[in-house]
Amino acid sequence: AQSVTQLDSQVPVFEEAPVELRCNYSSSVSVYLFWYVQYPNQGLQLLLKYLSGSTLVKGINGFEAEFNKSQTSFHLRKPSVHISDTAEYFCAVRRAGGYNKLIFGAGTRLAVHP
Amino acid sequence: DAGVTQSPTHLIKTRGQQVTLRCSPKSGHDTVSWYQQALGQGPQFIFQYYEEEERQRGNFPDRFSGHQFPNYSSELNVNALLLGDSALYLCASSLAGTSGGAATQETQYFGPGTRLLVL
Repeated sequence: AQSVTQLDSQVPVFEEAPVELRCNYSSSVSVYLFWYVQYPNQGLQLLLKYLSGSTLVKGINGFEAEFNKSQTSFHLRKPSVHISDTAEYFCAVRRAGGYNKLIFGAGTRLAVHP
Repeated sequence: DAGVTQSPTHLIKTRGQQVTLRCSPKSGHDTVSWYQQALGQGPQFIFQYYEEEERQRGNFPDRFSGHQFPNYSSELNVNALLLGDSALYLCASSLAGTSGGAATQETQYFGPGTRLLVL
């Protein structure tokens, strides 16, 4: 079975500062990894995904994440955040291949202050 | 190109009632998954439908059932509603395919959700 731990429930940061949202996962098999963002009263929007290949993945809105197999991590980063980045961020994992369910972390609330 | 759509957007029911939620997948997608997101938590997988059959099921009771239609749209039914069923219900669609001869599906795209309140 797979599991996901998002290490911070809330991350406050000032506008234009860099940010890192941490995600660790557990799995005995190969996995795919995802970051989704959820704005207030909305569904989930895919930010980026790692399936295979380069461990540094670039996504939308200037976000990127790095897959680290040895540390079983998939941290999300942005060099300079905007007020509009305020949202809930979810890390998710699923077993590679096949038709497999997504397993989500509990989420990290990113609050960007002016 | 329409994304994933869900209806209704909001719903209020009382304990013991039954509810049906609807989902239309993104154009070209043939697989639909349903998730329950309780307040302050991450989404939890309910089940997945492909070719009008339930392919996988999460840890939810039989009160939760579903259906997929020939046009790939899907319904989620919940019977005998409990207060604890209050949540945001998310539908996600994806495209089944093959890779190296093995069945696979990659990315799930989510709809805006249906917020259910059980009183």
